[in-house]
Amino acid sequence: GDSVTQMEGPVTLSEEAFLTINCTYTATGYPSLFWYVQYPGEGLQLLLKATKADDKGSNKGFEATYRKETTSFHLEKGSVQVSDSAVYFCALNRLPNDYKLSFGAGTTVTVRA
Amino acid sequence: GAVVSQHPSWVICKSGTSVKIECRSLDFQATTMFWYRQFPKQSLMLMATSNEGSKATYEQGVEKDKFLINHASLTLSTLTVTSAHPEDSSFYICSAMRGVRGYYNSPLHFGNGTRLTVT
Repeated sequence: GDSVTQMEGPVTLSEEAFLTINCTYTATGYPSLFWYVQYPGEGLQLLLKATKADDKGSNKGFEATYRKETTSFHLEKGSVQVSDSAVYFCALNRLPNDYKLSFGAGTTVTVRA
Repeated sequence: GAVVSQHPSWVICKSGTSVKIECRSLDFQATTMFWYRQFPKQSLMLMATSNEGSKATYEQGVEKDKFLINHASLTLSTLTVTSAHPEDSSFYICSAMRGVRGYYNSPLHFGNGTRLTVT
């Protein structure tokens, strides 16, 4: 079945450091890929998405490129801030109108001032 | 602000008792809601799809008699963990779809989650 594997945390960084969170997937067909973020005390919210190969999703300085050849969707940010401290989840769904998301385990990121 | 409210945020109960978790869409009608469960250091796993006015659709391996889902109105879905046991201790998260099922751009909104501990 479909699955998502993301790097284990926790990840601790200093402000302005470069952040990468690896995400790889296993799926049949052509899934859409997502990154969700959960800030402390809040629900998950969509950070960015990509719906086809080579698409790049971007938001709030974060980027991720849908790489079909490596089945990856790594999340990157060039200069993190304390406010980026959160749990990040990689996810996929198989069909455009299928809301059954498959999530990774989540990666906790802590940014220190 | 939050558009999906999940209550309670945490609950401790004794083995054998039942616990009800509520998921409310605050400013929109949600014909479809989803319930997820997360064990420590594991993936969020979809448990079931809750459909307003009809029976929930459970994922393979999820006991429907154990996890009762009721979606009686367009703004409320409830998950009841019946006869809870320590192995049911987990983090439960709901999400609600704003818009019409099948319309791709309808966004998903998530609740903050409920930490259930069964002693």
